[in-house]
Amino acid sequence: SYELTQPLSVSVALGQTARITCGGNNIGGKNVHWYQQKAGQAPVLVIYRDTNRPSYIPERFSGSNSGNTATLTISRAQAGDEADYHCQVWDSRTVVFGGGTKLTVL
Amino acid sequence: EVQLEQSGAEVKKPGESLKISCKGSGYNFRSDWIGWVRQKPGKGLEWMGIIYPGDSDTRYSPSFQGQVTISADKSISTAYLQWTGLKASDTATYYCARLVVPADIHWFDPWGQGTLVTVSS
Repeated sequence: SYELTQPLSVSVALGQTARITCGGNNIGGKNVHWYQQKAGQAPVLVIYRDTNRPSYIPERFSGSNSGNTATLTISRAQAGDEADYHCQVWDSRTVVFGGGTKLTVL
Repeated sequence: EVQLEQSGAEVKKPGESLKISCKGSGYNFRSDWIGWVRQKPGKGLEWMGIIYPGDSDTRYSPSFQGQVTISADKSISTAYLQWTGLKASDTATYYCARLVVPADIHWFDPWGQGTLVTVSS
């Protein structure tokens, strides 16, 4: 079965750029989606199809996907961006999630 | 506005049965897949399965096949997740979410608010 690997945690200074990776075998050939989950809340879609933002998500959030790594980039990080971030793909008629990354804004 | 409203928190004993629900509104419920996702305390998201309410076509993750039953009643725009013999290890928050599928690309949006299930003697 297909596996997605995320770092357990990423830290970023307030106002700086955070990059959260999602690794998988030739993940560049798949469509990657990202969800933000704040403490005690349900997940929210922040990026779909590698690079697309829902209208309610700030432009500070962007995505890329190539080779064996997809990346969620959060520019000008704010305290309110502190959350768990989960990547997801569709593979062989199944949904696959990464293990999730906790983003801490210092 | 597309919304998914889940049933409230449950506290059950091991061996008991349970059925939780997820009611959709703001879209054609019978025409979009609905998925169920488990999240154990402090852990990541685990996909359990999906159902197409229009014809009740259901697909399960191998990890959950035989452990739960997913169903839907399209007449009342509601999907269900059911257990017949709960275990302590089923303690988790369960989310439903609409599966968006344009051109064979699949993502979840939106999500329900979650249902906390606690199984304890």
